[in-house]
Amino acid sequence: DQQVKQNSPSLSVQEGRISILNCDYTNSMFDYFLWYKKYPAEGPTFLISISSIKDKNEDGRFTVFLNKSAKHLSLHIVPSQPGDSAVYFCAARSLYNNNDMRFGAGTRLTVKP
Amino acid sequence: ETGVTQSPTHLIKTRGQQVTLRCSSQSGHNTVSWYQQALGQGPQFIFQYYREEENGRGNFPPRFSGLQFPNYSSELNVNALELDDSALYLCASSGTGTDTQYFGPGTRLTVL
Repeated sequence: DQQVKQNSPSLSVQEGRISILNCDYTNSMFDYFLWYKKYPAEGPTFLISISSIKDKNEDGRFTVFLNKSAKHLSLHIVPSQPGDSAVYFCAARSLYNNNDMRFGAGTRLTVKP
Repeated sequence: ETGVTQSPTHLIKTRGQQVTLRCSSQSGHNTVSWYQQALGQGPQFIFQYYREEENGRGNFPPRFSGLQFPNYSSELNVNALELDDSALYLCASSGTGTDTQYFGPGTRLTVL
């Protein structure tokens, strides 16, 4: 049961432009959402998170937006840099089962110079 | 501060064998979670250990078992290996079960 879905396996953007990565979830019990970035031969690295009580969280060039009614979140990277090229995973967990974090399949972002 | 480390980096086993993977948690972290990442998929939660006790388990059969030691390092054991067990196994540590998890580089297991 894939409760967290990233429907775009890949995304390519030009350096300096905005990258928008999308994620949908089905479990209404999820109340905490995270984005991880993964480079080849490394483990996922935590990027940014958002609680369900918020609809936006910003950290430098990275902003996560949460639309609870649509069960949708997105990660915006502005401006995109070549070093941002990586696989990005969306993850979610619930207060009642907080050790079971569910991940999407990932989106490979390529930022072209 | 030492990050999360895992050993070995790569491993090749044959069907029916048993394997043990190891993880050293980040300094100050007492919680370790294990994930299986199959090719083209996101990590799937196997189980979590908190202060040497299992603290939650995903949808994996009992032949996947684990241990956590007093220094909070951890092992993942898989018995009776199957071809579908071929995957990247990731370990993540955190200060508590709800804190941000920090991942190791993973162990790539190939079952032939």
